[in-house]
Amino acid sequence: IAGITQAPTSQILAAGRRMTLRCTQDMRHNAMYWYRQDLGLGLRLIHYSNTAGTTGKGEVPDGYSVSRANTDDFPLTLASAVPSQTSVYFCASSDGIGQTDTQYFGPGTRLTVL
Amino acid sequence: GQNIDQPTEMTATEGAIVQINCTYQTSGFNGLFWYQQHAGEAPTFLSYNVLDGLEEKGRFSSFLSRSKGYSYLLLKELQMKDSASYLCAVEDSNYQLIWGAGTKLIIKP
Repeated sequence: IAGITQAPTSQILAAGRRMTLRCTQDMRHNAMYWYRQDLGLGLRLIHYSNTAGTTGKGEVPDGYSVSRANTDDFPLTLASAVPSQTSVYFCASSDGIGQTDTQYFGPGTRLTVL
Repeated sequence: GQNIDQPTEMTATEGAIVQINCTYQTSGFNGLFWYQQHAGEAPTFLSYNVLDGLEEKGRFSSFLSRSKGYSYLLLKELQMKDSASYLCAVEDSNYQLIWGAGTKLIIKP
């Protein structure tokens, strides 16, 4: 079944630890995105990639890094987790360059940093 | 700054009609999206408006007025499964999506 998968589904992490959230899509979409969603706030863009080999910073990039080695995978890394990074993280993809096309979301990763 | 405003929560009755409003102030405009998000799940696409007017899709319709910075999502013949959050998002001049905090819709029998 085509779509986006994310792993892990949920994670509890000690502050200061390094963590990589995985995202894979099989729709051959050019663009991919990482968002965080916090209660009472809208989705906030962390990083994005318009095409394989390129990445860009979103609204809240500090403390996060991404890579886009190929079309399908777009991992998000927290180098040294802090409690304020407790959130639900969604990966999304779209068929257009930039964000001109509809975005399709993965199921999310619920991360708790203690 | 850029801002998307939606009511935090709305309540409606099964079988009725509800209108969820969204007002926006963004640097440029390249389209407006509505997404549905059930609790604990991912957002899913509902509609896209780039020109003024009404777009109808089954029980759901979305309206846009660019001059007023205003959109609404109209849900007809409400069903219990329509209980969800509805997210409004605007694509700005840099083709970045700016998201509202969402409107939680509660459907009562």
